[in-house]
Amino acid sequence: AQTVTQSQPEMSVQEAETVTLSCTYDTSESDYYLFWYKQPPSRQMILVIRQEAYKQQNATENRFSVNFQKAAKSFSLKISDSQLGDAAMYFCAYRASGNTPLVFGKGTRLSVIA
Amino acid sequence: DAMVIQNPRYQVTQFGKPVTLSCSQTLNHNVMYWYQQKSSQAPKLLFHYYDKDFNNEADTPDNFQSRRPNTSFCFLDIRSPGLGDAAMYLCATSRGRDQPQHFGDGTRLSIL
Repeated sequence: AQTVTQSQPEMSVQEAETVTLSCTYDTSESDYYLFWYKQPPSRQMILVIRQEAYKQQNATENRFSVNFQKAAKSFSLKISDSQLGDAAMYFCAYRASGNTPLVFGKGTRLSVIA
Repeated sequence: DAMVIQNPRYQVTQFGKPVTLSCSQTLNHNVMYWYQQKSSQAPKLLFHYYDKDFNNEADTPDNFQSRRPNTSFCFLDIRSPGLGDAAMYLCATSRGRDQPQHFGDGTRLSIL
């Protein structure tokens, strides 16, 4: 069974600094997708960034970028120039291609310090 | 311009009293999902609909049922809620199973 591990239950970062959230996963599939979702307190979960496993290039969305290491099964999220609005729970998620469910990690709670 | 709408945001019910949570979408997506998220835990998929095709996760209790009367609406029915069913329930949609999911704000269910 696929599993997603986020080894950092909590992280903090100073405003304007850079922080990296870790995620590893376990799968025997070769074709899959990886996601980072952000869930602010009492607000909806939103997709931050998505990576297709067949793409070697790391995905980037403005201040958010990933370091996708397929051989190591690692998918970390880097947030540059952190802002107060980045404070949230961040979930790493995996989904194999086809009719398969999204598997979430346990999340990392990010605090941003002014 | 909310696209996935869950009502109500907070729901309180009594132990054993049936409760229904609702979800609607304006995205015209084919797939609708229901997740259960307990405090400080990851969301857990309960089931999903691809159009009218219902897909239940193997470990979803029989106490949980779902209905999708049309493309826009999907309901989660809990027939006899127990204290362990208190959680946030998240609805999500996607255009296809391979597409990113869009989440609603969730309904926080409390059991008295």
